Amino acid sequence: QPVLTQPTSLSASPGASARFTCTLRSGINLDIYKIYWYQQKPGSLPRYLLRYKSDSDKHQGSGVPSRFSGSKDASTNAGLLLISGLQSEDEADYYCAIWYGTTVVFGGGTRLTVL
Amino acid sequence: EVQLVESGGGLVQPGGSLRLSCAASGFTFSSYTMNWVRQAPGKGLEWVSYISISSSTIYYADSVKGRFTISRDNAKNSLFLQMNSLRAEDTAVYYCARQDYMDVWGKGTTVTVSS
Repeated sequence: QPVLTQPTSLSASPGASARFTCTLRSGINLDIYKIYWYQQKPGSLPRYLLRYKSDSDKHQGSGVPSRFSGSKDASTNAGLLLISGLQSEDEADYYCAIWYGTTVVFGGGTRLTVL
Repeated sequence: EVQLVESGGGLVQPGGSLRLSCAASGFTFSSYTMNWVRQAPGKGLEWVSYISISSSTIYYADSVKGRFTISRDNAKNSLFLQMNSLRAEDTAVYYCARQDYMDVWGKGTTVTVSS
């Protein structure tokens, strides 16, 4: 079972909200990890969006709108990326990552379609 | 403007070597840790290596350990990745990314390993 699991795809309508999940493998304590989120549009380089560990330990990337936010769901052992007020320009792949020991682990990515 | 520019990619035969470079500008390179991240065609992001500010701490992904070597020259604002014993599965776009949470990315350089 991978360290981080992301759904392969997500669809939502313009103006709606999107909720991305990044599920940590069973036995990995969600509480101690900072979850990093990146956006990658087709043919472009990845862009750092934000980091979330807790409401008192979080960081927004430079120039990243406040409609992008992070959270955690302890019940499912998952980090969350929330995008409100979806726009067509939000259509992209979204990756989560954690520092797992001395390595960085990325999730497989979720492709967002805005339709 | 904060910028990272990778170079050195190309076509190489299996078993061959390449040295990638990443030129940094617009920030104090010597104050930041750095990473290499790669992306195989049509695939997700895969972290490759990390180097601390003074080069005293270095980490590698298991997939490249023993074959790749990360280094930096703070006087020349440059990051390097020496890649030896290349395999077909090393074919990817290689990105350099700034600091632990990879807030700034270059546009990448393409490495193709094929006979």
